[in-house]
Amino acid sequence: SYVLTQPSSVSVAPGKPARITCGGNRIGSKSVHWYQQKAGQAPVLVISYDSDRPSGIPERFSGSNSGNTATLTISRVEVEDEADYYCQVWDGSSDHVVFGGGTKLTVL
Amino acid sequence: QLQLVESGGGSVKPGESLTLSCEASGFSFVDSYMSWIRQAPGKGLEWVSYISNTDNVIYYAESVKGRFTISRDNAKRSLFLQMNSLRAEDSAIYFCAKDHSPVAFWGQGTLVTVSS
Repeated sequence: SYVLTQPSSVSVAPGKPARITCGGNRIGSKSVHWYQQKAGQAPVLVISYDSDRPSGIPERFSGSNSGNTATLTISRVEVEDEADYYCQVWDGSSDHVVFGGGTKLTVL
Repeated sequence: QLQLVESGGGSVKPGESLTLSCEASGFSFVDSYMSWIRQAPGKGLEWVSYISNTDNVIYYAESVKGRFTISRDNAKRSLFLQMNSLRAEDSAIYFCAKDHSPVAFWGQGTLVTVSS
């Protein structure tokens, strides 16, 4: 089965950029989606199809995907961005949905 | 606005059954794939199952295959998850979700606890 690997945690100071990676075999050939989950809340889609921002998502969120790594970038982190972030793909070989293990973003 | 409201969670013993429900509003349910995704306490997201809009496409995670059954009633705008032979490792918040990849919108979830 397809596996997505994320760092367990990332720390960043307010106003600095944050980059959260998602590794997978030839992930660049798949569409990657990113979700933000704040404590006690349901996840929210923040990036779809590698780099598209859904309506209402701030411009500071962006995504890229190439080779074996997809990346979620928050250009200038704000305190409110502190949350868990999950990457997700659809594995066409199994028709299964796959989530990464999640990354806890801490704003120092 | 989009709304997904789950119900049916609770506390059961290993081996018992439970059926979750999800009522949808604010979007075209009949045109949407729907999913169930779970999250064990303090853990990450785990996809459980999805069903196509006309229920002719259904897939399950290996961890629940043969024990869980997803279904829908388009006339009632409702999604269901029948869970049989429950195990302690099935304990989680179960989220109902619109679409499967990407998941466009999530409900707030319903808690299932399996314990003797």
